[in-house]
Amino acid sequence: EPEVTQTPSHQVTQMGQEVILRCVPISNHLYFYWYRQILGQKVEFLVSFYNNEISEKSEIFDDQFSVERPDGSNFTLKIRSTKLEDSAMYFCASRLYPLAGGTDTQYFGPGTRLTVL
Amino acid sequence: GDSVTQMEGPVTLSEEAFLTINCTYTATGYPSLFWYVQYPGEGLQLLLKATKADDKGSNKGFEATYRKETTSFHLEKGSVQVSDSAVYFCALRPYNQGGKLIFGQGTELSVKP
Repeated sequence: EPEVTQTPSHQVTQMGQEVILRCVPISNHLYFYWYRQILGQKVEFLVSFYNNEISEKSEIFDDQFSVERPDGSNFTLKIRSTKLEDSAMYFCASRLYPLAGGTDTQYFGPGTRLTVL
Repeated sequence: GDSVTQMEGPVTLSEEAFLTINCTYTATGYPSLFWYVQYPGEGLQLLLKATKADDKGSNKGFEATYRKETTSFHLEKGSVQVSDSAVYFCALRPYNQGGKLIFGQGTELSVKP
């Protein structure tokens, strides 16, 4: 069965450093998402991406964050200058159809655990 | 704004016990509702879903019914197994908002032999 993959599984970085988290969505999917989960808290929506542009972003997704689909397979989340509070599990997800209100499913990757020291 | 509230965990049950995990939501319009499960060390997997009022989602012995009158989507299973031990997340997808999911805080289930 097709699956979303993410690399690395665990990233440790120093505060102020840039990190790039990578995701490979399911190949025929058109809509891509990033979520994060701070330890012990809810899974929170960060951003959605369709047709090579951001379609929606949350308040969390400030200027320190960016997303890109540099080629036909990868979808990346960049944090320019990491803060301690960016430590979390980051999940990528993809969905087949862009139709709002549709019944298709979001498929999630296994997550990248980011630790900022 | 839209939100999801789940019962707090952890929930500890003996094998073959009946499971209920409560989930209520606040949303405008007609959201779709989901239960996702996260097994240790893995990502979120869709367990079941319902897209309109009175729909019942079911999978692997789990069921949940979309109750608009009580804004609830409680997860149930008649007889849990040790392999059901995981974290369960209730989520909603707001209608006509591009597909993002809004999650509850998750409920950890531990099933003892």
